[in-house]
Amino acid sequence: QSALTQPRSVSGSPGQSVTISCTGTSSDVGGYNYVSWYQQHPGKAPKLMIFDVSKRPSGVPDRFSGSKSGNTASLTISGLQAEDEADYYCCPYAGSNTWVFGGGTKLTVL
Amino acid sequence: EVQLVESGGGLIQPGGSLRLSCEVSGFTFSSYEMNWVRQAPGKGLEWLSCISSSGSTVNHADSVKGRFTISRDNTKNSLFLQMSSLRAEDTAVYYCARGSQWLAFDNWGQGTLVTVSS
Repeated sequence: QSALTQPRSVSGSPGQSVTISCTGTSSDVGGYNYVSWYQQHPGKAPKLMIFDVSKRPSGVPDRFSGSKSGNTASLTISGLQAEDEADYYCCPYAGSNTWVFGGGTKLTVL
Repeated sequence: EVQLVESGGGLIQPGGSLRLSCEVSGFTFSSYEMNWVRQAPGKGLEWLSCISSSGSTVNHADSVKGRFTISRDNTKNSLFLQMSSLRAEDTAVYYCARGSQWLAFDNWGQGTLVTVSS
C-alpha cells in the first residue's frame, strides 16, 4: 500500500481553473471506479468533495469536478475562490477493504 | 446532525499502548462501516483500519497490522482503536471516519492527537 502521486502544490488566480492529478496503479486508481477526493483546511478535519470518481455529495459546489483516465484521476476546480485554498487528497479504493491516500496537494489561490 | 467525537489521545512512551474511542450520534451506527485515518504532523492522510457494520470483518494497513486493532460496540455507538507497541512514527492526529456506500469517507471526527515520545 504505497501512497499515490499528487503534485505537491498548484496555484491559480480567482476565477481561473486548476487541475490536481493523482497517479496510482492498476490495483487502485485504475482498478476500480471508486476514487474520492477530500479538502482539508489547516487544523480542520477532511471533507468529502468527490466520490465514485466524478460525483459530488450534496452541498459541494458544481465548480468541483472529477475524472479518471487509466491509472490517473483528476480533480478540477473551476472559478477559483479564496475559500478553495486548502490541501486536497485523492483516495482510491484499493480492493480487499483497503484504501490508499495520495500524498496531498496544497492549492494556493493567488 | 451526524457527529463523530474522538477521545483517548495523549502523550505515551515508546512501546506503550493506548486505546482511542470514537463516539457517534445522528445516524444509525450499526448500519455503517467505520474507519480510522491518521495524519502525522505536517504530513498527509494515511488510511489505517476498517471495520464492517457488524464488526465481523476488519482490515488494517500493513503499517499497523499486528499492532493496532479496530473494534466497535454497536450498543454504545462507539468505535475503538487499540494501539500497542507504539513508535515515534505513530505520532499523529487520529480521525474516525464513516464509510459510505460509495466506498468513501463521508463524515469525519475532529481528531485526537497521539504523541509517542519519551
